Amino acid sequence: GQQLNQSPQSMFIQEGEDVSMNCTSSSIFNTWLWYKQDPGEGPVLLIALYKAGELTSNGRLTAQFGITRKDSFLNISASIPSDVGIYFCAGFTTSGTYKYIFGTGTRLKVLA
Amino acid sequence: KAGVTQTPRYLIKTRGQQVTLSCSPISGHRSVSWYQQTPGQGLQFLFEYFSETQRNKGNFPGRFSGRQFSNSRSEMNVSTLELGDSALYLCASGTGGGETQYFGPGTRLLVL
Repeated sequence: GQQLNQSPQSMFIQEGEDVSMNCTSSSIFNTWLWYKQDPGEGPVLLIALYKAGELTSNGRLTAQFGITRKDSFLNISASIPSDVGIYFCAGFTTSGTYKYIFGTGTRLKVLA
Repeated sequence: KAGVTQTPRYLIKTRGQQVTLSCSPISGHRSVSWYQQTPGQGLQFLFEYFSETQRNKGNFPGRFSGRQFSNSRSEMNVSTLELGDSALYLCASGTGGGETQYFGPGTRLLVL
């Protein structure tokens, strides 16, 4: 199935460091969503973005909807051990059909 | 507001059997999407139901089917199970217009 390009695929960081990940696509999206998934659980919605250029924060998380509507990034500031998990982006498109397309995921590991 | 619920949470079946999974969306949500998640393939879209009609379908064989009831609850059925069907099956509910999508905890299916 179709998936978005998400990078990096995985990263090890030290506790307290900032983290940045992004998703890119050749298609335009109307909505960008960012999720975090813990092992064996369903993804939990972190941030939703609805307009090109929009910058939204949720605690230590900040995400932006790219101005071209083809990309989005997520920043995590001052990482802590519980930030460990897989982060997914998802873009919603109405082109052709209404559906979400997911990124391949970024696996984050935080070293205490 | 109660979140998305899925039953059962865990299931063990043998090859050739069939299985039915259930998903109850967030109250007021009319869209239910189903995804298959495996370590190697990531999140793969199965299908989406909106107001009891299948609106989108992913690239899965006809052994995978679903339906949605008038109360928006949805079921997914897999017939003639194969070993490769072992996965975490996630459902997600939303309003249908792309604003947000919330996932349930998933049903972990093991096919022996």
